[in-house]
Amino acid sequence: KNEVEQSPQNLTAQEGEFITINCSYSVGISALHWLQQHPGGGIVSLFMLSSGKKKHGRLIATINIQEKHSSLHITASHPRDSAVYICAVLPTSGTYKYIFGTGTRLKVLA
Amino acid sequence: DVKVTQSSRYLVKRTGEKVFLECVQDMDHENMFWYRQDPGLGLRLIYFSYDVKMKEKGDIPEGYSVSREKKERFSLILESASTNQTSMYLCASTKRGLAHTEAFFGQGTRLTVV
Repeated sequence: KNEVEQSPQNLTAQEGEFITINCSYSVGISALHWLQQHPGGGIVSLFMLSSGKKKHGRLIATINIQEKHSSLHITASHPRDSAVYICAVLPTSGTYKYIFGTGTRLKVLA
Repeated sequence: DVKVTQSSRYLVKRTGEKVFLECVQDMDHENMFWYRQDPGLGLRLIYFSYDVKMKEKGDIPEGYSVSREKKERFSLILESASTNQTSMYLCASTKRGLAHTEAFFGQGTRLTVV
């Protein structure tokens, strides 16, 4: 079993829909990142969380440390949100080695 | 405002060639990473450097080496490229000493070994 699990693996939505992507992890962490990867490869960091909730535009990320779970929400989805979303955790083991989920491929149809 | 730059977006090399992938960051970060990304496997750490001339093996270092002669530059070397090294390679950097530091990634290099 992977230490970081994402669901769903693939998601297709209609423009305007509310989208939720989930991330569960099994290790103690000091931080969790949500990353976005567009076709072509480059990765952009969307959020870094250690507790609570963060919002940036139409994106909202939440984390529940006790339940070892985080969600990424996209409100009023748009075709330009189509990308792979990756959850990455930084364990509290004292290194800087991130553990990555395998990603959620999102396609938003116009 | 590009922060992490990888030298090539696409690369095609022959089996047995020595391949250099270069990564440069302009944020004065101490930590730099090389990952490879394969379908269904996510990002896997090849090597990690926490300072100039310092390196640490990641989860899949076999067939690779690295060089960090200057703080801003971290090079990944495939001594003798093989077809199973065909992959997307991503470089990243972070600031040392801050647990809650943001990671910055390069645009990726898609390497094909034929």
